[in-house]
Amino acid sequence: ETGVTQTPRHLVMGMTNKKSLKCEQHLGHNAMYWYKQSAKKPLELMFVYNFKEQTENNSVPSRFSPECPNSSHLFLHLHTLQPEDSALYLCASSQDLAGGPFNGEQYFGPGTRLTVT
Amino acid sequence: QKEVEQDPGPLSVPEGAIVSLNCTYSNSAFQYFMWYRQYSRKGPELLMYTYSSGNKEDGRFTAQVDKSSKYISLFIRDSQPSDSATYLCAMRNQGGKLIFGQGTELSVKP
Repeated sequence: ETGVTQTPRHLVMGMTNKKSLKCEQHLGHNAMYWYKQSAKKPLELMFVYNFKEQTENNSVPSRFSPECPNSSHLFLHLHTLQPEDSALYLCASSQDLAGGPFNGEQYFGPGTRLTVT
Repeated sequence: QKEVEQDPGPLSVPEGAIVSLNCTYSNSAFQYFMWYRQYSRKGPELLMYTYSSGNKEDGRFTAQVDKSSKYISLFIRDSQPSDSATYLCAMRNQGGKLIFGQGTELSVKP
């Protein structure tokens, strides 16, 4: 496996379900990100982790719960979601947080298409 | 006012045309400017990046930054059907988070 992988690629869940999204990066990066991509809207940054520590929570509702057990893996735990949470959830990684000329370049996974019914 | 504005399109051009994609921004502190390409059912992939003002060329692609006008452009020469995708501009300042535009959907017709 190379780059950034995400599983599952598609997920349909009811509002009372609990599910988890998984992201794994094989690039040796130190920073990982969760983004939400809705139709016709800019990517919305949700969470940032650097060396397993959360450095940013962009006012995300508590029904989204991230977990970063190590620098290569990132999870997004979902519970009691709303239909408006249906979107493409993208994971990304970068060598470090944006600091120097380009060590903040982000590499994206293919995303998980989430539908909440 | 949004920090980054990008026309969502869709933009449809014939094969071989020159394509111009643009973004405007409001934060004069932005220093790093990127263009991502996103194919259907895929994640964004970095296409071009520039630091500060000026031009950068890579094959059929040219990225331009005009900091005085707060305006960035991506030009695609001799466009191909394989260029059909959504193009996202993104930018940040030193140590800042990446701010994305809405994305422009491009279709190149054979």
